[in-house]
Amino acid sequence: AQSVTQLGSHVSVSEGALVLLRCNYSSSVPPYLFWYVQYPNQGLQLLLKYTTGATLVKGINGFEAEFKKSETSFHLTKPSAHMSDAAEYFCAVSAPSGGSYIPTFGRGTSLIVHP
Amino acid sequence: GAGVSQSPSNKVTEKGKDVELRCDPISGHTALYWYRQSLGQGLEFLIYFQGNSAPDKSGLPSDRFSAERTGGSVSTLTIQRTQQEDSAVYLCASSSQGGAGANVLTFGAGSRLTVL
Repeated sequence: AQSVTQLGSHVSVSEGALVLLRCNYSSSVPPYLFWYVQYPNQGLQLLLKYTTGATLVKGINGFEAEFKKSETSFHLTKPSAHMSDAAEYFCAVSAPSGGSYIPTFGRGTSLIVHP
Repeated sequence: GAGVSQSPSNKVTEKGKDVELRCDPISGHTALYWYRQSLGQGLEFLIYFQGNSAPDKSGLPSDRFSAERTGGSVSTLTIQRTQQEDSAVYLCASSSQGGAGANVLTFGAGSRLTVL
């Protein structure tokens, strides 16, 4: 079985500061990893994903994440936060289970950006 | 369509009533997923369709929950005899690569269900 743990239900940063959202996963096989973002009153949309190859993945809006197998982590970072980054962020892992790949999501981290 | 469409966007019902939630996926997407989003609980997987078949129903919380998909397109999630703990946002997503690990899900805006 696979699972995802997101440390911190809320993260608060000042505009211009580094953003770090933590995600650890559990999977018995090499996983596919995703970050989705949910803006208020909108559906989730893909921020970035890791499949194979380069472990540092770049996504939209200046976000990136690094897959670290030894740490079973896939933390999301952005060098400089913008007010428009305020949203709910979900980490997800997808691994085979019963012949299907069903993404399992973490509980989400709410990013708050202060002026 | 251009995106995943869900209806109703909001539904308030009384305990014990039945509700139906509808999902219209992106045209041509063969895979369809239902998740439930409760406050502080993240996304809980409910059911997955590949075409009209549901190979994975493992997430349905009880026999009061059922779902179907017709014509490889529209899906309906039905909750019978609703309970207050059913209150949540029900999210639908579709994908063109159902069953593939790297498949990206496109989500609808959700149907918010409130059971009084």
